[in-house]
Parts: sequence; C-alpha cells; structure tokens
Amino acid sequence: RKEVEQDPGPFNVPEGATVAFNCTYSNSASQSFFWYRQDCRKEPKLLMSVYSSGNEDGRFTAQLNRASQYISLLIRDSKLSDSATYLCVVKKGAQKLVFGQGTRLTINP
Amino acid sequence: EAQVTQNPRYLITVTGKKLTVTCSQNMNHEYMSWYRQDPGLGLRQIYYSMNVEVTDKGDVPEGYKVSRKEKRNFPLILESPSPNQTSLYFCASSLSGRGTGEKLFFGSGTQLSVL
Repeated sequence: RKEVEQDPGPFNVPEGATVAFNCTYSNSASQSFFWYRQDCRKEPKLLMSVYSSGNEDGRFTAQLNRASQYISLLIRDSKLSDSATYLCVVKKGAQKLVFGQGTRLTINP
Repeated sequence: EAQVTQNPRYLITVTGKKLTVTCSQNMNHEYMSWYRQDPGLGLRQIYYSMNVEVTDKGDVPEGYKVSRKEKRNFPLILESPSPNQTSLYFCASSLSGRGTGEKLFFGSGTQLSVL
C-alpha cells in the first residue's frame, strides 16, 4: 500500500461546479498535511496547509479526518484557472515529506 | 525576488556521460532537497540536506550524488546516467525542514532525457 494515495483522475467538471478530492495516508503518526498545486510540467506550489480543525481560503476548503486517515480538498465555484494537478503531501517524521501522485482536474467552460 | 534557481531546464544526454544539475536558493534556507517526478509515481525524494555539509538519502538515492558545500547551493550529480534516470527533476528548499507548516519552494524543474 502506498503511503499517500490519491485518485489520479482525471476529473472533468463544468465551470462553476463544486469538486472534492480525498487523499488517504497510511502512517497514523503523521502530523502535518498539505495540498500543493502543480500546473502541467511546472513546479508544485503550496495551495494550503491542512489543520486539524479544517481551514478555508476563499473558494478552497481543506479538512483532516485523523480517525479515517484522510484529508480532503473542496473547491467551490470552480474557475477555468483551477485546472491543474493537486498533490496531497503528508509530513512523516521530523523532516520527510511524502507526496501523493496527484489528482488531475480539468474545468470545462 | 525569493527563488530557487535550477539549471538547465532541459537536458538530453547519453548513457554514462557524467552530468550535474545545479540548484541555488537566495532565501538563506537551511533545508534543500531533490525530487524526481515520474508518471503514476508522484514526486519521490532523492536526497535532502538539513544544512551545510549535512546530506541524507531519500527514497531513491541510487545513481545520484549531492553535495552541500555552501548553504545556497545543492547540486545533483549523476556520475553515470542510465535511461531509467530519464525523469523530471525538482529542487526544493524550506526554512529549516522541521516546521510543521513550512512551505517548500520549488525550482522550475529539469527535464532530463538519457538516451
């Protein structure tokens, strides 16, 4: 089993829709969680950190479910510019980050 | 401008010909790391460095070397490249590597093809 698993997609949704992805992780001792965004063949960029209480940044909401060991990302009122690959990242131990393979999202006009 | 600079952006080489991919950051970050990204496998860590002269293996270190003689630079060396090292490579840095919410800053990537 992979340490961090994501549905690779692709997810194709119409502009304005709400879309959500989950990411599961295997190490129950993981302490820090993140979502990164990666445009085609470009460098990943931090979208948001995921806190235990959940957090929201504009149209984006991230949630953590420790009991079931997954994190989620919800995008409301999706825009064409949201088309990208979303990487789930879990911090394992003091220094190591483990990346999921990414979920590809395409927003259609 | 705060950034991680990676060079070259594209590199085509032949099996066995030693190459170096350079990485430099101007943010005085202690932590630097190299990743490779392959379809279906996500980003996998090759090597990382917590500070000058301190380097450690990641998940896929075989066939690679690194050095950290100065804080700002963290070159990736392939002594004898092979076709299975064809991949998209990213260098990244963060302030200390220890913070729970620390952001990783990535270079723009190096697409390496080994023929």
